[in-house]
Amino acid sequence: DTGVSQDPRHKITKRGQNVTFRCDPISEHNRLYWYRQTLGQGPEFLTYFQNEAQLEKSRLLSDRFSAERPKGSFSTLEIQRTEQGDSAMYLCASSRNLLGGGRKETQYFGPGTRLLVL
Amino acid sequence: AQSVSQHNHHVILSEAASLELGCNYSYGGTVNLFWYVQYPGQHLQLLLKYFSGDPLVKGIKGFEAEFIKSKFSFNLRKPSVQWSDTAEYFCAVLYNQGGKLIFGQGTELSVKP
Repeated sequence: DTGVSQDPRHKITKRGQNVTFRCDPISEHNRLYWYRQTLGQGPEFLTYFQNEAQLEKSRLLSDRFSAERPKGSFSTLEIQRTEQGDSAMYLCASSRNLLGGGRKETQYFGPGTRLLVL
Repeated sequence: AQSVSQHNHHVILSEAASLELGCNYSYGGTVNLFWYVQYPGQHLQLLLKYFSGDPLVKGIKGFEAEFIKSKFSFNLRKPSVQWSDTAEYFCAVLYNQGGKLIFGQGTELSVKP
């Protein structure tokens, strides 16, 4: 396995700009997750996909955030009209969830994209 | 609400000391339990996990954790820490086979040589 990769690793933007992050999961992993982590806190769930389908979105996810996984492989997370409060580390994780095997799902994390909104 | 609590925000130990990091979670039915570690400058890595069976699970680098269902706890232990164990440790819970992990706030471990 080559591991979960994320691009870019760092992003500095001005308030009001749009940003897009990409995540490439471990091959053959059908689930892909996005989390956000701020300093001194644990990762916080944002949304996840099983193949192309977005199965759950956090209530914390404002409508400025959108995520896609169009072909069931890589995913993008877009933040529109960024605000300073969006500054955080955005983490992607992937897992292999087999039908009836959900109890043994393990998520593997990528290196994250650190976003700074000025 | 589903939540995970880690008792210690920052722990400082000398090399060879024993380690125990606390993790408690709120009741919410069936759980899968995880400890992740984040070494300085690196990404989150899986340390160990519990799905079912023997409540004492062993992970990498000599770490182990014990699931105590009656106490809703999953404490992490290591008998003798090394300087290289300096890292941030996160407890995480998967409730009822749902997709998302609920993380604790993390415990920063500093090991003095």
